[in-house]
Amino acid sequence: QQKVQQSPESLSVPEGGMASLNCTSSDHNFQYFWWYRQHSGEGPKALMSIFSDGDKKEGRFTAHLNKASLHVSLHIRDSQPSDSALYFCAASRGSGSWQLIFGSGTQLTVMP
Amino acid sequence: EAAVTQSPRSKVAVTGGKVTLSCHQTNNHDYMYWYRQDTGHGLRLIHYSYVADSTEKGDIPDGYKASRPSQENFSLILELASLSQTAVYFCASSDAWVSYEQYFGPGTRLTVL
Repeated sequence: QQKVQQSPESLSVPEGGMASLNCTSSDHNFQYFWWYRQHSGEGPKALMSIFSDGDKKEGRFTAHLNKASLHVSLHIRDSQPSDSALYFCAASRGSGSWQLIFGSGTQLTVMP
Repeated sequence: EAAVTQSPRSKVAVTGGKVTLSCHQTNNHDYMYWYRQDTGHGLRLIHYSYVADSTEKGDIPDGYKASRPSQENFSLILELASLSQTAVYFCASSDAWVSYEQYFGPGTRLTVL
């Protein structure tokens, strides 16, 4: 079983809608999280990190972390076609840790 | 912005042949990584390095070697390529002193026939 599990595997939302992605770590040693985004034909790029309980907002993107349940979510409001991409959740041992364990990704499609 | 380049961008190799994938970063980062991406598995770490002339095994090192001759360059070597090594390979780098955000290259698509 993968240590970092993401759901759903794929998601379609209309332009302007809200996309919600979920991620859970099964290892309490890995409770610091990153979100990465990968557009087709490119390498992944970091969107944001979240290391503390609660919400973290960056523009249209909001991450929510619950350390007790090792659950993190990513919400994208006012979704744009350019947000269509593969989104990875990655967990690390600490905010200063090099090691990332990646989930298998959620494919987001934003329909014009 | 951090820059990581990879070469070649795509390659077709024969089973049993030797393949070398190259990575170059211009960010003065300490850490460099090699991942492979397969559908349904996300990104899996093959090898990593935190200093020149030293490499460490990641989660799936079998069948792969790595070389870090300088801080800027990191290579992945498949001595005897196999069909199961068909995948997209990504190199990444990160800075241990500012942030551990990993900066990825554009990837190399390897097909082993």
